[in-house]
Amino acid sequence: EVQLVESGGGLVQPGGSLRLSCTASGFTFINYWMHWVRQVPGKGLVWVSRFNNDGNTGYADSVKGRFTISRDNSKNTVWLQMNGLRAEDTAVYYCARGGPGCFDLWGRGTLVTVSS
Amino acid sequence: EIVLTQSPGTLSLSPGERATLSCRASQSVSSNFLAWYQQKPGQAPRLLIYGASSRATGIPDRFSGSGSGTDFTLTISRLEPEDFAVYYCQQYGLSPTASHTWTFGQGTKVEIK
Repeated sequence: EVQLVESGGGLVQPGGSLRLSCTASGFTFINYWMHWVRQVPGKGLVWVSRFNNDGNTGYADSVKGRFTISRDNSKNTVWLQMNGLRAEDTAVYYCARGGPGCFDLWGRGTLVTVSS
Repeated sequence: EIVLTQSPGTLSLSPGERATLSCRASQSVSSNFLAWYQQKPGQAPRLLIYGASSRATGIPDRFSGSGSGTDFTLTISRLEPEDFAVYYCQQYGLSPTASHTWTFGQGTKVEIK
């Protein structure tokens, strides 16, 4: 089955760290860009980060310098290391597949709550 | 950064009616890189339309996309009960500093009247 499965969300204090994982199955992982997109509950979608299939990465300005995306093609997995977490980072984090353009496959998401 | 503005915020319609959703960009968007998504409560978004007018795999033909430049439209020809959801438009482009950017509209909720 073609799918993405996220894990690693939870409750963390402001200033803390969390590492999200996304494991892919059912398709040739190495061929795709992988992204993280987040959504504050009840609000809209915001792109967070990408890892191209040629090794390049990118970040939204709001997370640059605090978040790091990485991937291991042998494990079909992409991670999002989140440091210096703030209350405004509270959201559901979705892993999504895509190239440039659109996101054609999404995981179910993992909730990150930043609160003391 | 290109800003996408969707209208209306909420659309109240009955099953069987036609839904017309608008997405307006603050500057011209390549039609190749304009997409539409459907999201139901508690679920991840689902790609409906890419390249402004191409239906994604498995999407019924009652969904259609059109437009170019700064004005894009998603049309649902006859609403089915499962179509009541929130719809987002999304664009991809390069910033003046050549950074890849992806932005979403704020969403249109299609609710049962």
